[in-house]
Amino acid sequence: DGGITQSPKYLFRKEGQNVTLSCEQNLNHDAMYWYRQDPGQGLRLIYYSQIVNDFQKGDIAEGYSVSREKKESFPLTVTSAQKNPTAFYLCASSRGQSNTGELFFGEGSRLTVL
Amino acid sequence: QKEVEQDPGPLSVPEGAIVSLNCTYSNSAFQYFMWYRQYSRKGPELLMYTYSSGNKEDGRFTAQVDKSSKYISLFIRDSQPSDSATYLCAMEYGNKLVFGAGTILRVKS
Repeated sequence: DGGITQSPKYLFRKEGQNVTLSCEQNLNHDAMYWYRQDPGQGLRLIYYSQIVNDFQKGDIAEGYSVSREKKESFPLTVTSAQKNPTAFYLCASSRGQSNTGELFFGEGSRLTVL
Repeated sequence: QKEVEQDPGPLSVPEGAIVSLNCTYSNSAFQYFMWYRQYSRKGPELLMYTYSSGNKEDGRFTAQVDKSSKYISLFIRDSQPSDSATYLCAMEYGNKLVFGAGTILRVKS
């Protein structure tokens, strides 16, 4: 089945540690995205990539980093510089090379900082 | 003021009821309007996608866009317990996509 796989589903981190969230897609989509979801707020865009080896900052990129070395993979690193990292993180992809609303989402990764 | 406003609910209805979910927006540049459904601890899935003002129907779901009032709605007929989820509206123009905060819907059997 085609889709987006995020791992791990749940992750606990101590303050000061970097963590990397995995996102893999087999939909052959060009564009991939990372969103953060907090209670009472809409999804907020962290980073997006429209093509391999290229990515752009979204609205809340500070404290995060990404890479796009392969079309299928778009990992997100939450660094120790992120002041409030506890959240639900969603990876998504879309067919086109523009930021289209027809997004396909993974099941999310819930990060908790202890 | 947020660009997209959505009442967070929760909205609780009996099974079989007609549900109305709504979003308002302030930016008249939005051209594409979407509704996503998100079950607990899952990622959102696209439910409806519309471009122009008017209605779009898909089974028990009807999406309505009123650009003059900057108001969009999602109607669910004959609601089922399986419709219990968070419903997110989203709007797009150019490369900008903005999500509402989501409305929690609970359908009681």
